[in-house]
Amino acid sequence: GENVGLHLPTLSVQEGDNSIINCAYSNSASDYFIWYKQESGKGPQFIIDIRSNMDKRQGQRVTVLLNKTVKHLSLQIAATQPGDSAVYFCAENKAAGNKLTFGGGTRVLVKP
Amino acid sequence: NAGVMQNPRHLVRRRGQEARLRCSPVKGHSHVYWYRQLPEEGLKFMVYLQKENIIDESGMPKERFSAEFPKEGPSILRIQQVVRGDSAAYFCASSPSGADTIYFGEGSWLTVV
Repeated sequence: GENVGLHLPTLSVQEGDNSIINCAYSNSASDYFIWYKQESGKGPQFIIDIRSNMDKRQGQRVTVLLNKTVKHLSLQIAATQPGDSAVYFCAENKAAGNKLTFGGGTRVLVKP
Repeated sequence: NAGVMQNPRHLVRRRGQEARLRCSPVKGHSHVYWYRQLPEEGLKFMVYLQKENIIDESGMPKERFSAEFPKEGPSILRIQQVVRGDSAAYFCASSPSGADTIYFGEGSWLTVV
């Protein structure tokens, strides 16, 4: 079936460096994508979203890029900090209702 | 996830018992969603409710699981006759409408022994 998946299960990054987390999706009908951050023992925290009519969206220290041609989504975190250590999930939201389909997650470990 | 309140945060049940998980959405939100997360996995959609209505329950197991969102009070996810495979984190989320970003609570961790 169609799904959302991630390329790398674990990403180690030096504090201060930029992080890039990738996500592939297979449903070309998806029109809305979201990145969530989940710390241990907590719920998913909304980071940033992007609609399918956009290629790029920037937030505070984060940028999401959407490449519809290859069905690829990425999250860039600038100047990664220890507090960024968490599991990051991409999620896909189809037009009808908020039935999110989550990817498997990427664990980001920030080294001091 | 500000404002979505879930309780209990941790629940231990013996096999065969019932588990009831409660969720109070963000004030003013009339749409509630339940997701389940197994260890080291992403969240899986279970059910989407509006006040007094089930909109989409395509992710709910056919037996033992039920959900409600009454006119007054929190949304309840009920699991009857729990089995070890029900051990998971159950997350509730809410939104003001069916087309907005949804915000998650901190989850309820169910352990079946």
